[in-house]
Amino acid sequence: EAQLVESGGGLVQPGRSLRLSCVGAGFSFDDYAMHWLRQAPGKGLEWVSSITWNSNNIDYADSVKGRFTISRDNANNSLHLQMNSLRPDDTALYYCAKANSAHEVRGGWFHPWGQGTLVIVSS
Amino acid sequence: ETVLTQSPATLSVSPGERATLSCRAGQSVSNKLAWYQQKPGQAPRLLIFGASTRATGVPARFSGSGSGTEFTLTISSLQSEDFALYYCQQYNNWPFTFGPGTKVDI
Repeated sequence: EAQLVESGGGLVQPGRSLRLSCVGAGFSFDDYAMHWLRQAPGKGLEWVSSITWNSNNIDYADSVKGRFTISRDNANNSLHLQMNSLRPDDTALYYCAKANSAHEVRGGWFHPWGQGTLVIVSS
Repeated sequence: ETVLTQSPATLSVSPGERATLSCRAGQSVSNKLAWYQQKPGQAPRLLIFGASTRATGVPARFSGSGSGTEFTLTISSLQSEDFALYYCQQYNNWPFTFGPGTKVDI
């Protein structure tokens, strides 16, 4: 059974940086594209970023483009999200999720999801 | 981006009853629609993809239908564990978008 575990969240001041990580287990990590999504407290779901299995194709939501960088390390079954210039509206529970294919970052569903890591941006 | 609208916002039902949840897209998404269930303090769980295909392990009481702009998630006989938030998500038009959710409660 595929499992994902996120880490790296915390309280950070506006304008500062944070790096999230996600480790996958129970599946061939380098056979799948991966995604980051987020959920602000009490709000709905928002897709953040996606990366293909070989990192050749990457996409970002407009709300994070230029500030966030997605990357992966297939040797260590890990996915990362470098978040710079953080703003209060970036406060959310950040989830990583497995794609349903290796190459598609602009299609497909998300399954499974990790349990999330909470990022709070506040002074 | 493709806006998804879910109705009703809250659906109050009793165990054993049938629940029908609606998701409407602002433009056609073909059959590229997924449904997720989220319980308090938990991550979303995939229920349906391709508008009507149940994910592995999802009970048969969950069914999805629709295409184009109108979609339905039906829970044929609600169990206590089905009281949760339900989101639809489209993956036909980039970027991915989610509906605001329907809360199913007692």
